Amino acid sequence: DGGITQSPKYLFRKEGQNVTLSCEQNLNHDAMYWYRQDPGQGLRLIYYSQIVNDFQKGDIAEGYSVSREKKESFPLTVTSAQKNPTAFYLCASSIDRVGEQYFGPGTRLTVT
Amino acid sequence: QKEVEQDPGPLSVPEGAIVSLNCTYSNSAFQYFMWYRQYSRKGPELLMYTYSSGNKEDGRFTAQVDKSSKYISLFIRDSQPSDSATYLCATRYSGGGADGLTFGKGTHLIIQP
Repeated sequence: DGGITQSPKYLFRKEGQNVTLSCEQNLNHDAMYWYRQDPGQGLRLIYYSQIVNDFQKGDIAEGYSVSREKKESFPLTVTSAQKNPTAFYLCASSIDRVGEQYFGPGTRLTVT
Repeated sequence: QKEVEQDPGPLSVPEGAIVSLNCTYSNSAFQYFMWYRQYSRKGPELLMYTYSSGNKEDGRFTAQVDKSSKYISLFIRDSQPSDSATYLCATRYSGGGADGLTFGKGTHLIIQP
């Protein structure tokens, strides 16, 4: 089955720790994205990548980092510099920069 | 001024009714328009994807874009309890700049059996 997988589904961390969220796709899509969703808020773009070894900051990149070493993988690291890391994180991909974006199931991160 | 405005609801309608969900946007550079359905604690699912003005129909769903008034709509015919979810509208530019989508906050829809 083609699709986007995110792991884990739930993640708990202590304040001050870095944490990495996984996103993998087997759709052969070039572009991948990370969004953050907070209660009562729309999705906000953190980072995006149009091609391997290239990525760009989105609207709320501060406190986050990404890598794109393989076409199918786009991990997101939430660093200790992110002031409010507790949120629902969603990964998406599209065949190219103008194609439809398809989302994974999300990872709910709770930092205490 | 927020770029995409969407009434959060909740919007509650009886089963079988026609549902109308709406968004307004402020940036005339937006060219692509999408509707996503999101069930609680799940990732958004793409329902409709349209370019520029006009209508697009897919089964019980019809998406409508009016660029002159910067207004986008999603109509659901013969609504079912399984349609109960949050519906997100989204837009994007035709090219250049950030490639991410700009989302409304979502409308929570409840279909009463």
